[in-house]
Amino acid sequence: EVLLVESGGGLVQPGGSIKLSCAASGFPVGSNYMAWVRQRPGGGLEWLAVIYSGGATHHAQSLRGRFTVSRDPSKNTLFLQMRDLRDDDSGVYYCAREIYHAAGSYFDYWGPGTLVSVAS
Amino acid sequence: QSVLTQPPSVSAAPGQKVIIACSGSSSNIGINFVSWYKHVPGTAPKLLIFDTDQRPSGIPDRFSGSKSGTTATLHITGLQTGDEADYYCGTWESSQSVGDWVFGGGTKLTVL
Repeated sequence: EVLLVESGGGLVQPGGSIKLSCAASGFPVGSNYMAWVRQRPGGGLEWLAVIYSGGATHHAQSLRGRFTVSRDPSKNTLFLQMRDLRDDDSGVYYCAREIYHAAGSYFDYWGPGTLVSVAS
Repeated sequence: QSVLTQPPSVSAAPGQKVIIACSGSSSNIGINFVSWYKHVPGTAPKLLIFDTDQRPSGIPDRFSGSKSGTTATLHITGLQTGDEADYYCGTWESSQSVGDWVFGGGTKLTVL
């Protein structure tokens, strides 16, 4: 059974850092495209980053280099390092498995999310 | 402001049908497959439709997807109270050299 569980969320001060984890089971993280998506309060889903099966990464330009996606295949875990956090980074952060083919992709499994609150 | 435009809300009675449109452009919906997700706040989003009109295993045929030009559509028939949720469309945005994923702003479905 495919399962994704995020952790690491919590309260962080503006300008601070936090690292989210996404533990996967039922499939190898290192052989799949894995993504982070967030939902800010009152908002919709917002794609943040992807790490490809080969290890290359791609992040949303709007993040201006503040977030970094990575993985540890030995732990079957995905990470999102978040730096220089701002109030509007508050929200629920989801990891998802991305199924890719030549004409597009989609997210077939998602975790339940972890809440990040940025406040002083 | 989302790249893909969805109506903020739709509503219908149990047993009725709703259609949720997702409007994009020639650089996203016009040339890429679309997927749809059901999201009940506080839970994991769920894939409903992939590759524009394909249903994953376990999704009932009450849910169907289609596309015409730069607009994708999610059809839900035989509405049930359990269908109440937020629904999102998504696809690649191919206007840059490396595509980004984009979602619609979401549509809240109320089953009256």
